[in-house]
Amino acid sequence: GQNIDQPTEMTATEGAIVQINCTYQTSGFNGLFWYQQHAGEAPTFLSYNVLDGLEEKGRFSSFLSRSKGYSYLLLKELQMKDSASYLCAVPKPNNAGNMLTFGGGTRLMVKP
Amino acid sequence: DTGVSQDPRHKITKRGQNVTFRCDPISEHNRLYWYRQTLGQGPEFLTYFQNEAQLEKSRLLSDRFSAERPKGSFSTLEIQRTEQGDSAMYLCASRRVAGETQYFGPGTRLLVL
Repeated sequence: GQNIDQPTEMTATEGAIVQINCTYQTSGFNGLFWYQQHAGEAPTFLSYNVLDGLEEKGRFSSFLSRSKGYSYLLLKELQMKDSASYLCAVPKPNNAGNMLTFGGGTRLMVKP
Repeated sequence: DTGVSQDPRHKITKRGQNVTFRCDPISEHNRLYWYRQTLGQGPEFLTYFQNEAQLEKSRLLSDRFSAERPKGSFSTLEIQRTEQGDSAMYLCASRRVAGETQYFGPGTRLLVL
């Protein structure tokens, strides 16, 4: 089976940097996704990591360590609009359908 | 707006009634997924189509649930004899064969009274 753990809630200040961690266990690794979800809205794609290392996309960066089963999402220069849930997900291994298993999400609150 | 649309956006029904939701994926995406999300949780996989073929169903999908994608384009998810435990957000996602990323629609929020 698959298991994904991420903190339930985090709070940070506008303008600061926050790191949201995700640990996963899977029998076969086929990449890791991060999605952002504002309350009552659809998850929107942020990043996909399949190789170790850091990938940067503007204010958002995502890191992966396959040997440690660990990823993090780094948000810089936080803005109020970054208040949302951040979902870590991995595809089902050895399955062409690649249906996703999600963690419970980390609810980030950005305060002024 | 990812290009995936769902209808209706909200549905309130009484226990025991049947409901049907529709999903229109991004036009060139031949893979379509249904997920269910309850408050404070991540989405959970329900079922998946490649073109018109339903290739996998989760154990979460009881026999009261049925999904179709008759022409390989839009899909419907029907819940018969709804129960209060069916109250959730039902999300649809689609992706290309050669792509990895699933793009989600805005969801249908179901409340069973």
